[in-house]
Amino acid sequence: GESVGLHLPTLSVQEGDNSIINCAYSNSASDYFIWYKQESGKGPQFIIDIRSNMDKRQGQRVTVLLNKTVKHLSLQIAATQPGDSAVYFCADLNQGGKLIFGQGTELSVKP
Amino acid sequence: EAGVAQSPRYKIIEKRQSVAFWCNPISGHATLYWYQQILGQGPKLLIQFQNNGVVDDSQLPKDRFSAERLKGVDSTLKIQPAKLEDSAVYLCASSFTQALDSPLHFGNGTRLTVT
Repeated sequence: GESVGLHLPTLSVQEGDNSIINCAYSNSASDYFIWYKQESGKGPQFIIDIRSNMDKRQGQRVTVLLNKTVKHLSLQIAATQPGDSAVYFCADLNQGGKLIFGQGTELSVKP
Repeated sequence: EAGVAQSPRYKIIEKRQSVAFWCNPISGHATLYWYQQILGQGPKLLIQFQNNGVVDDSQLPKDRFSAERLKGVDSTLKIQPAKLEDSAVYLCASSFTQALDSPLHFGNGTRLTVT
């Protein structure tokens, strides 16, 4: 069946370092991927998206990389700040139009 | 712009009781979603509306859950009777269209505890 999952449940980084959060997906027909950030007590917040016809997309301090060969995507956060502490979800928008979320990685930023 | 509004923020009920959640989407957003997020997991879609019509309710436990969006704006999600396993955060989201890349905007959710 279709699944979207993350490699690590928690990630701890030093403030100022770069963070890399990984995600694997199983459906090779998936054509649109989204990263969300969820802070405690809040709903998920859109960070960045990427279509399957792209390998890389950059935003402000964030970069998403997509490797369709191994069905893997990653979120890179440059110069991680305390405000980046949250749970990060990758989500796959499949052909059926359903948003399938992974389990999430909790990012902790040490000052 | 004002975000997606949800109420109440928290609700504690006993099993077999009923409960209702309310959502007001972003003005002009035709598509509305209800998600269930169990602690430690990603959100799971329960139901999707396009205006006042249901697009997808395949994951909604229809024996106990119901949802409506009568005028195509606000929506309510009801659980009757509640079970212990319904304890979760119920998130409402809206988007301008149901196009694949129309971003979803989430509310802050209602945290339900069933005892």
